[in-house]
Amino acid sequence: GENVEQHPSTLSVQEGDSAVIKCTYSDSASNYFPWYKQELGKRPQLIIDIRSNVGEKKDQRIAVTLNKTAKHFSLHITETQPEDSAVYFCAASSGDSNYQLIWGAGTKLIIKP
Amino acid sequence: ETGVTQSPTHLIKTRGQQVTLRCSSQSGHNTVSWYQQALGQGPQFIFQYYREEENGRGNFPPRFSGLQFPNYSSELNVNALELDDSALYLCASSLAIKETQYFGPGTRLLVL
Repeated sequence: GENVEQHPSTLSVQEGDSAVIKCTYSDSASNYFPWYKQELGKRPQLIIDIRSNVGEKKDQRIAVTLNKTAKHFSLHITETQPEDSAVYFCAASSGDSNYQLIWGAGTKLIIKP
Repeated sequence: ETGVTQSPTHLIKTRGQQVTLRCSSQSGHNTVSWYQQALGQGPQFIFQYYREEENGRGNFPPRFSGLQFPNYSSELNVNALELDDSALYLCASSLAIKETQYFGPGTRLLVL
């Protein structure tokens, strides 16, 4: 079955700097890769997603890149702000019929003022 | 915020009891997926319902069961509760099977 690994587990960056979180997946059939942000005690919120027919997608300060050959995808956040502090999860779709999401273990992003 | 709601928000049960958690999907969404999130971990897929039928199941025992109603709301039932069932239970609805999943606020279950 699908397995998703996420690194690093904790990332501390200075406010205004960039943050990069990386994920690898094992199932070459996966074709949908969302990123969720989860603040303490809150629901996961979708921040960006990418499908396998696209290599990169941007939304203001957030971008995701996908390398299907290497089976890895990354989240890039530029000009980080204090409100970016949260746990970020990557996920990959698994299963053609039911499209369950297999999640990484999460990255705790800390923005230092 | 998404239009996905869950009830109750918190629940305390004792080992061996049974529990039912509820999820109302966003308007127009016909697919509901359930996830279990233990503290400090990523969500684990339990199962998915599409148009009232189970459409895939993760690695959870049969004492985890579900239901989806004609209005596409859904229930998660857990029998014979164990201490390890303590977790945040999240439901997510989507427009269709392969569409983006939007999460509800979750139900935090504590089993004593």
